[in-house]
Amino acid sequence: GAVVSQHPSRVICKSGTSVKIECRSLDFQATTMFWYRQFPKQSLMLMATSNEGSKATYEQGVEKDKFLINHASLTLSTLTVTSAHPEDSSFYICSARDPGESSGNTIYFGEGSWLTVV
Amino acid sequence: RKEVEQDPGPFNVPEGATVAFNCTYSNSASQSFFWYRQDCRKEPKLLMSVYSSGNEDGRFTAQLNRASQYISLLIRDSKLSDSATYLCVVNQHNFNKFYFGSGTKLNVKP
Repeated sequence: GAVVSQHPSRVICKSGTSVKIECRSLDFQATTMFWYRQFPKQSLMLMATSNEGSKATYEQGVEKDKFLINHASLTLSTLTVTSAHPEDSSFYICSARDPGESSGNTIYFGEGSWLTVV
Repeated sequence: RKEVEQDPGPFNVPEGATVAFNCTYSNSASQSFFWYRQDCRKEPKLLMSVYSSGNEDGRFTAQLNRASQYISLLIRDSKLSDSATYLCVVNQHNFNKFYFGSGTKLNVKP
């Protein structure tokens, strides 16, 4: 299957600062990437769909000014959590669809990033 | 109503048992179906796609019932290493919409 890499895997930041998480498709070009958040013992929650070269599409209830998404190239999308607060502490995961696969719609996940805001 | 629903479990089974999970979806226009496995504090990993005719991969069998709008996953001869949360994922006509179930937790015990 395709490979999606996410960095950093763990980050601790102070309240009020911003944190950037990178998501890269290593062996395919991803026109679309997805960002999720998962709180402990809860299901994945889609935050936004990141489209290369255009604005991200945010899900209802997700603040686009707080969670900045940039998808400037076909292999890289970034999520920046701005003015982070302790309640933003969570597991953030990206995924990407490999359009080159025969089905064209299987998604692969990055390793996830644990964010702790202190 | 949620797009995708799963029994959260946990399913506690002994090694060697056969266990089955179901997942229902609400939109009849859904086109593609998948089972993912998520280990604790890790990212989901694709276990298998679910095809209309049903498909098998070793001890795992996936089936789709479009009339009743559910997919199933059957695990035979359960191993301790099968302990994980199993997520069903449904993709609708718009390729950019993937809906996740909340996951079913499986505990395989010695």
